[in-house]
Amino acid sequence: DAGVIQSPRHEVTEMGQEVTLRCKPISGHDYLFWYRQTMMRGLELLIYFNNNVPIDDSGMPEDRFSAKMPNASFSTLKIQPSEPRDSAVYFCASSFGVDGGALNEQFFGPGTRLTVL
Amino acid sequence: AQSVTQLDSHVSVSEGTPVLLRCNYSSSYSPSLFWYVQHPNKGLQLLLKYTSAATLVKGINGFEAEFKKSETSFHLTKPSAHMSDAAEYFCVVRILGYQKVTFGTGTKLQVIP
Repeated sequence: DAGVIQSPRHEVTEMGQEVTLRCKPISGHDYLFWYRQTMMRGLELLIYFNNNVPIDDSGMPEDRFSAKMPNASFSTLKIQPSEPRDSAVYFCASSFGVDGGALNEQFFGPGTRLTVL
Repeated sequence: AQSVTQLDSHVSVSEGTPVLLRCNYSSSYSPSLFWYVQHPNKGLQLLLKYTSAATLVKGINGFEAEFKKSETSFHLTKPSAHMSDAAEYFCVVRILGYQKVTFGTGTKLQVIP
């Protein structure tokens, strides 16, 4: 299994530009999570999906952030317009949810390091 | 509600000596508990996870953790540190039946040769 795949691995952009981060979860997993990691705030959950449907987006910082999951094998996180304070590492993770609350851990991608100048 | 506290932001040990990374949790319901490791510029990798079947959990790379309900703790240990253990470690709590997890703030482990 290839694991969770994220692209690009690094992104450098200028303030005001649109940024799109991509994620391919592990095949068969029905939950997908987007996290942001910074020195100041640590790991923050931004949003998560179940069967392609957004379940909890309370962590999305502003309307400039949006996420979609058009099918089971692809998700995007978009920032428009981007700002320097959005600079962070963005992780995608996926898991397999089993009824009854099985101990299904999340599998993380390698992350996308975003720098907004 | 659930929360997790990692008591040390940095831990420094000499190679070959024991490692102890502390984690305390708070959960209104039966928790699932995990330890993840993150090496520099890498993603997070699962070290071990707590199941209700056994309070002492063995993970990869010689790590283990003991679930102590009376102390609401889930400390991570390793008998002998290796240079490759230098990384950041995250304690994670999840309420059974829910997918949303809560991460601790992380403990950076330094291993001195």
